[in-house]
Amino acid sequence: AAGVIQSPRHLIKEKRETATLKCYPIPRHDTVYWYQQGPGQDPQFLISFYEKMQSDKGSIPDRFSAQQFSDYHSELNMSSLELGDSALYFCASSKQGYQETQYFGPGTRLLVL
Amino acid sequence: AQSVSQHNHHVILSEAASLELGCNYSYGGTVNLFWYVQYPGQHLQLLLKYFSGDPLVKGIKGFEAEFIKSKFSFNLRKPSVQWSDTAEYFCAVNARYNQAGTALIFGKGTTLSVSS
Repeated sequence: AAGVIQSPRHLIKEKRETATLKCYPIPRHDTVYWYQQGPGQDPQFLISFYEKMQSDKGSIPDRFSAQQFSDYHSELNMSSLELGDSALYFCASSKQGYQETQYFGPGTRLLVL
Repeated sequence: AQSVSQHNHHVILSEAASLELGCNYSYGGTVNLFWYVQYPGQHLQLLLKYFSGDPLVKGIKGFEAEFIKSKFSFNLRKPSVQWSDTAEYFCAVNARYNQAGTALIFGKGTTLSVSS
């Protein structure tokens, strides 16, 4: 079965640089979520989108922005990167509805030097 | 605000031992409940979920969990663990609002180490 696709899988950036992470949901899934998982930490919710509109917002820094496109893929844009942004960034997708399961992608491992 | 508490940070078992991982949540409304597993270096995979109905749910790989509403608990169990169950286990909840895109709130996770 098709899964959530994330690119790139690994990314190395310098402080103050920008990064763009991409997420392609499972076919026919219309809701996308972004989570950040620091080393040894639990995943923290950043933001979600349904039908290209922001649906829920968590602890996403103002330096980050995200959007969902007409083909339902999503991009997380990160600017003025800080050392503390080094983490695993997961994207998840689900079908619309409050009883839908979120399926996670393999993640993008971001290292900020 | 919702919160999830996992009682055990690290559990060490021998193969064939029984497993129970505790999970309690804090939220006044109706929730959906999940257990996810994360094998070393891999992404989160769904083990099982509870939305409604029978409070005892069965998942993949022989895992099951029981929702006890009065205790706000959703403990994960497996009668006999295998070495391959070594992984990080996360309990998660999301509030059952009538909208899409509701965030999952995760517990801190429990590291399970199974020795052969």
